[in-house]
Amino acid sequence: GENVEQHPSTLSVQEGDSAVIKCTYSDSASNYFPWYKQELGKRPQLIIDIRSNVGEKKDQRIAVTLNKTAKHFSLHITETQPEDSAVYFCAASINRSNYQLIWGAGTKLIIKP
Amino acid sequence: NAGVTQTPKFQVLKTGQSMTLQCAQDMNHEYMSWYRQDPGMGLRLIHYSVGAGITDQGEVPNGYNVSRSTTEDFPLRLLSAAPSQTSVYFCATSGTTDYEQYFGPGTRLTVT
Repeated sequence: GENVEQHPSTLSVQEGDSAVIKCTYSDSASNYFPWYKQELGKRPQLIIDIRSNVGEKKDQRIAVTLNKTAKHFSLHITETQPEDSAVYFCAASINRSNYQLIWGAGTKLIIKP
Repeated sequence: NAGVTQTPKFQVLKTGQSMTLQCAQDMNHEYMSWYRQDPGMGLRLIHYSVGAGITDQGEVPNGYNVSRSTTEDFPLRLLSAAPSQTSVYFCATSGTTDYEQYFGPGTRLTVT
């Protein structure tokens, strides 16, 4: 079946440094790639998404890049802050639907003061 | 607007018992789905619905049933609970324009 692989599973960075989380997907028909942030004990919330007709999207300190040929996409967080500490999930649409998503296993991001 | 609500927040069941997890939304979204979240495994889709009267299976449907009689409600039924169904369950909804999925607060289920 289709899958999404996410790396690393844990990432520890110094406050102020950048963090990069990478995902690869298997469904060549995938055309929607969201990233969600989940704080401890809370629900996942969308932080940024990208569609297949765009190679990069930026929103303040957060950016996502997409390489459709290689079937991978990445989340970049610059100038990390303590409130960025959370688990981040990538996802990719499957079955030619933008609603059905298959999710990566998550990355726990730790910001060291 | 309440957004997406789920009840109960916590539930403990004995093996073999059945129960229904409730999900309701007031966002007028057509798409609703149920996920389970287990440590180190991300979110796995159980069942989903693209509108009232329409449901379909996701990745891990066995042991669960759903129905969608209204746009607002999408209950998830556990037919005969097993310890392997111990998990956190999230309901999510999505509109037809921006695809963002809005999650409910979750139900933590323990099956002993």
